[in-house]
Amino acid sequence: EAQVTQNPRYLITVTGKKLTVTCSQNMNHEYMSWYRQDPGLGLRQIYYSMNVEVTDKGDVPEGYKVSRKEKRNFPLILESPSPNQTSLYFCASSAGTGFSKNIQYFGAGTRLSVL
Amino acid sequence: QKEVEQNSGPLSVPEGAIASLNCTYSDRGSQSFFWYRQYSGKSPELIMSIYSNGDKEDGRFTAQLNRASQYISLLIRDSKLSDSATYLCGTGFQKLVFGTGTRLLVSP
Repeated sequence: EAQVTQNPRYLITVTGKKLTVTCSQNMNHEYMSWYRQDPGLGLRQIYYSMNVEVTDKGDVPEGYKVSRKEKRNFPLILESPSPNQTSLYFCASSAGTGFSKNIQYFGAGTRLSVL
Repeated sequence: QKEVEQNSGPLSVPEGAIASLNCTYSDRGSQSFFWYRQYSGKSPELIMSIYSNGDKEDGRFTAQLNRASQYISLLIRDSKLSDSATYLCGTGFQKLVFGTGTRLLVSP
């Protein structure tokens, strides 16, 4: 089954404790991206990657790191989480960035609480 | 910076009616637009993509793009209870921007 898998689905942590949210896709997609979703602010892009070793900032990259060492994986790293990073996070992938290729397929989401 | 604006709703329609959802965008150069549906607690799923000015129909759904007015809309005909969800419009190829979503409530 074609899917984007995020882990963990739920995470409660404390301020300053480094964490990683994993994302993996089995569709051989070139493009992957991370979003956060907050009430009243909608879905906002954190980082995206157009291919292995190619990453770029979205609209809200502060406090996050990413890496794309393999095509299928795109982990999101919070080096020193703060309470304002409490949010619902989605990973997504698409075949590419051209017309009809840029359809985003979303993972199930990771609900993060930083105390 | 690209921006996408949507009315947060809720938009309430009776079952069987037409629901009309609207979205405006700020970047006149935007070429790629989407409508996603998101049920509460779930991830967004694609309803329609549209790249050309005019209408695009898929079953009960019609997306409309008006580049002159920088406006996109989604019409849902014969609304069903299962259409109750939040609808997100978005734009972009690499850097993607989404609106805050419109909540649609279909009542019996």
